[in-house]
Amino acid sequence: ETGVTQTPRHLVMGMTNKKSLKCEQHLGHNAMYWYKQSAKKPLELMFVYNFKEQTENNSVPSRFSPECPNSSHLFLHLHTLQPEDSALYLCASTRTSTDNEQFFGPGTRLTVL
Amino acid sequence: QQQVKQSPQSLIVQKGGIPIINCAYENTAFDYFPWYQQFPGKGPALLIAIRPDVSEKKEGRFTISFNKSAKQFSLHIMDSQPGDSATYFCAASQDSSGSARQLTFGSGTQLTVLP
Repeated sequence: ETGVTQTPRHLVMGMTNKKSLKCEQHLGHNAMYWYKQSAKKPLELMFVYNFKEQTENNSVPSRFSPECPNSSHLFLHLHTLQPEDSALYLCASTRTSTDNEQFFGPGTRLTVL
Repeated sequence: QQQVKQSPQSLIVQKGGIPIINCAYENTAFDYFPWYQQFPGKGPALLIAIRPDVSEKKEGRFTISFNKSAKQFSLHIMDSQPGDSATYFCAASQDSSGSARQLTFGSGTQLTVLP
């Protein structure tokens, strides 16, 4: 595997389900990011982790819970989501938190019924 | 203050045409302006980027024009090809004194290049 991978690629869940999104980067980077991408809207930064420590939480509802066990893996735990949370969730990484170029994974297409 | 406004929302050109996508920003502290290209089913990928100390940057068929006084920048695609059909996002970021750089994205332009 190369670059940034995300699993699953597609997820359909009910409002009462609990699920998790996984991201893995194979680039040796130290910073990882979660974004939400909705149609015709700018990408919304959700969380930033630097060396496994969360450094940014952009007012994300608590029904989204991130976890970063090491610099290569990032999870987004989901529970009691709303239909408006349906979107493409993108993971990205950078070599350091101050680097400009972000490398994105292919995303997880989430549908909340 | 943190917004980046992108236009048009969608664009259709013939093969060989020169599509132009425009972005405007308000925050004069922004010091890095990238363009990302996203194909269906893929994440965005960095295409080209510019800093405000230059007015133009070319990489292959892709050119960024930057107007610091107008706080605008644009992407030009020369001799466009059907394979360039994708969604293009402009973005901007600023130095955050050691904190993580955060990219502020435009809303995207869906480009279709007809054969």
